[in-house]
Amino acid sequence: EAGVAQSPRYKIIEKRQSVAFWCNPISGHATLYWYQQILGQGPKLLIQFQNNGVVDDSQLPKDRFSAERLKGVDSTLKIQPAKLEDSAVYLCASSPEALNIYEQYFGPGTRLTVT
Amino acid sequence: AQSVSQHNHHVILSEAASLELGCNYSYGGTVNLFWYVQYPGQHLQLLLKYFSGDPLVKGIKGFEAEFIKSKFSFNLRKPSVQWSDTAEYFCAVRGAGNNRKLIWGLGTSLAVNP
Repeated sequence: EAGVAQSPRYKIIEKRQSVAFWCNPISGHATLYWYQQILGQGPKLLIQFQNNGVVDDSQLPKDRFSAERLKGVDSTLKIQPAKLEDSAVYLCASSPEALNIYEQYFGPGTRLTVT
Repeated sequence: AQSVSQHNHHVILSEAASLELGCNYSYGGTVNLFWYVQYPGQHLQLLLKYFSGDPLVKGIKGFEAEFIKSKFSFNLRKPSVQWSDTAEYFCAVRGAGNNRKLIWGLGTSLAVNP
């Protein structure tokens, strides 16, 4: 079974530039999550999709962050404009979210450095 | 507000030592509990989980965790660690039911010296 795919793996940009991350979840997984993980901290949920609908985006800084999941499969997360404090690893995870199956499967992450 | 507290941020052990990592949570209802591990250069992966039933849960690589409801705890244990257990360990909790957010601890960095 193929895992969660993310690209790019690394990205370095200057502040005020824009950047986009891509995620392809495990086939058949209805739920997709984007997390931000700052060094030394646990993952922080940015947004959760159920199929192509948003379930939770309460911690997404909507003035600069946006995400979409067209057709309920792939997803993109965009930051525009980036700030220095956005430097972090951006993790994508997916879950079947079926009865009694709540495990999240994570991708390798995208390490973003904003200079 | 729901929260997860991991007591040890950095742990250093010698091989064959026993390990116990603390995890306490704050949540009033039924919970699902998880321990995830992140080995150097690798992605987060599930170590073990508790949904219901036997409060002593066994996971991969010889790890186990015990859910003590009265103490709101889900401590991770391993009787004898190996150098390959060097990793970051995260405790996570979510309320039981659909579409509940997973709340993460800050993580514990474990270094095992050979």
